[in-house]
Amino acid sequence: AQSVAQPEDQVNVAEGNPLTVKCTYSVSGNPYLFWYVQYPNRGLQFLLKYITGDNLVKGSYGFEAEFNKSQTSFHLKKPSALVSDSALYFCAVRESGGYQKVTFGTGTKLQVIP
Amino acid sequence: DVKVTQSSRYLVKRTGEKVFLECVQDMDHENMFWYRQDPGLGLRLIYFSYDVKMKEKGDIPEGYSVSREKKERFSLILESASTNQTSMYLCASSFRTPNTEAFFGQGTRLTVV
Repeated sequence: AQSVAQPEDQVNVAEGNPLTVKCTYSVSGNPYLFWYVQYPNRGLQFLLKYITGDNLVKGSYGFEAEFNKSQTSFHLKKPSALVSDSALYFCAVRESGGYQKVTFGTGTKLQVIP
Repeated sequence: DVKVTQSSRYLVKRTGEKVFLECVQDMDHENMFWYRQDPGLGLRLIYFSYDVKMKEKGDIPEGYSVSREKKERFSLILESASTNQTSMYLCASSFRTPNTEAFFGQGTRLTVV
C-alpha cells in the first residue's frame, strides 16, 4: 500500500529565509508526487508535481521540490519565504496502476514570521 | 480555468438527518473524489468514482454513500448524520491519467448537532 509521511506538523521560518517542508513516500512502481497548498477555509490548490526526468521541479509562487529516489523523499523548498506563504501544505502520491488512488500526507503548517 | 464547485460552504444538520453534499466539475474529468479533512489526520478518502455510475470505497466509507449519475456531478450522502461526521468535506476531480493533478472544490464545513 502506498503512503506519505510529513514528519513536521508545523514549520516556522523568518521572512526572507529559505524554507523546506519535508515529505517521504512509499509506493510500488513509479511514483507520481504532488504538492498542494491550502489557505484557511479554502480547498487545496496544486503547486507542483514530479512525474519523471529532472529531479528538481519548479512550480507556482516560486516553490520548487527536489525528488530523491534513494531517500524516497520529495521535499518542498523556496529560496526566500514570504509572509503570504503561510498556509497548510500537503504532499501526495498517486499510484500509476489500478484506480490511481491519491494518498495525502497529514499536512504541514508553514508559519512565516515577519 | 477548471472549476470544481461544491453546493454549500457551510452546513448545519441535526443528528439522524439525511445529508446531501453536491459537487460539480466542468473539465470533463473521469475521476471524482470525496475526502474528509480533520486536524492532525490530513485528507482521508471516503469514496471515489472513475466513471459514471462507477464507485470505489476509499479508506473511510462507513456511514457514507455516493452517487454519480452524470459525469460532471458526484454526490456524497450521509444516510443518518452523526456528530462524529462533523468535518470539512472536500470534493476533487482529475483526468484518469496518473500524471495529472487533482482539482479541488472550496470545501463544505459540515456541523452535525
